[in-house]
Amino acid sequence: QVQLVQSGAEVKKPGSSVKVSCKASGGTFSSYAISWVRQAPGQGLEWMGGIIPIFGTANYAQKFQGRVTITADESTSTAYMELSSLRSEDTAVYYCARVLRGVVANDAFDIWGQGTMVTVSS
Amino acid sequence: AIRMTQSPSSLSASTGDRVTITCRASQGISSYLAWYQQKPGKAPKLLIYAASTLQSGVPSRFSGSGSGTDFTLTISCLQSEDFATYYCQQYYSYPQSFGQGTKVEIK
Repeated sequence: QVQLVQSGAEVKKPGSSVKVSCKASGGTFSSYAISWVRQAPGQGLEWMGGIIPIFGTANYAQKFQGRVTITADESTSTAYMELSSLRSEDTAVYYCARVLRGVVANDAFDIWGQGTMVTVSS
Repeated sequence: AIRMTQSPSSLSASTGDRVTITCRASQGISSYLAWYQQKPGKAPKLLIYAASTLQSGVPSRFSGSGSGTDFTLTISCLQSEDFATYYCQQYYSYPQSFGQGTKVEIK
């Protein structure tokens, strides 16, 4: 059974960057799209972007274009999300999630990481 | 971008009740809709995809229906472990988007 294990909580200063990792274990990595979804405290879910590791190209929500970079390392079965120019509004739990049906960029998410809390504070 | 609107935002119900949550898309999304359950401090859990297909391992008291713009999640007989927040998600087009959530609370 595939599991997604994310890196630990981060505290960052405004204007800095954060890079969160998401390591897959127990199954296929490269042929399943991985997305990043964030959730601000007490708020709903927001899709940021995704990547299909075997293809290597990422798609981003327009809101985050220019600030977010999603990459994948097939050799270590790890996906990464880097968010730059951080501001207080970026304080949130960041989740990675794997699609249900493989090489399909847009799909339901059946496997989720445990979440990584990113706090942006001066 | 497609906007997803859930109703109600919250509801109070008792164990054994039948509960219905609706989700409306701002434009047609065929059946490209999923439902998730989220408990405090936990990642969302997939319940239903393709509007009405039950994810493996999810109890049969959960069901989904609808297509186009209007969708429904029904819990036929609410159990104590079902008190949580529920989200719909469209994956018809980029950017994928979620409803604002419906919190199901104990009456």
